[in-house]
Amino acid sequence: QVHLVESGGGVVQPGKSLRLSCTASGFTFNNDAMFWVRQAPGKGLEWVAVISYDGSIIYYADSVMGRFTSSRDNSKNTLYLQMNSLRAEDTAVYFCARVKYSYGADFWGQGTLVTVSS
Amino acid sequence: SYDLTQPPSVSVSPGQTATITCSGDVLAKQYGYWYQQKPGQAPVLVIYRDTERPSGIPERFSGSNSGTKFTLTISGVQPEDEADYYCQSADSTATSYVFGGGTRVTVL
Repeated sequence: QVHLVESGGGVVQPGKSLRLSCTASGFTFNNDAMFWVRQAPGKGLEWVAVISYDGSIIYYADSVMGRFTSSRDNSKNTLYLQMNSLRAEDTAVYFCARVKYSYGADFWGQGTLVTVSS
Repeated sequence: SYDLTQPPSVSVSPGQTATITCSGDVLAKQYGYWYQQKPGQAPVLVIYRDTERPSGIPERFSGSNSGTKFTLTISGVQPEDEADYYCQSADSTATSYVFGGGTRVTVL
């Protein structure tokens, strides 16, 4: 069955960097686009980025544009989110999700918590 | 940017019908999706392409789209339906995606 596991979260100081990973199994990873979605403590879901099946097309939310970079290594079935110049407002649980056009984000990982604090 | 607007909360008695709305201009041009999220868990897709239900989602969940208003209906609400529900869509070019603010469904 489809399985997505995020890792790399932790506590980081403002202005520092962190890289998240999302390891996929149970489906043909290089066929599908992927989302990053985050959820601040006690808040709603916020879309962060979408990356095409081959990594050639990537779009970002305005709130992370220029600071976050998503990429993927299809040979390793792994999705990445490089987060630079982190701010307190980036504190959230970060989810990866498989997304198919017109089918939505049909499988999600359990998320990894990023806390930006001095 | 653009927004999807949901009511913050809906309360319903077991066996009754819960109706959650999601309003936004983008819904006239793009499909809408609904996700259910229970505390401490990842979201689960319950409606895609405005009205379709993924396999494994109970028939009591249904969706509709009347142009700029998207609706999730839970008929015969069960206690296990208590959760937060989020609508989601995209801009007309599918380069930007958005979630509604979420609606907490409380089963009385």
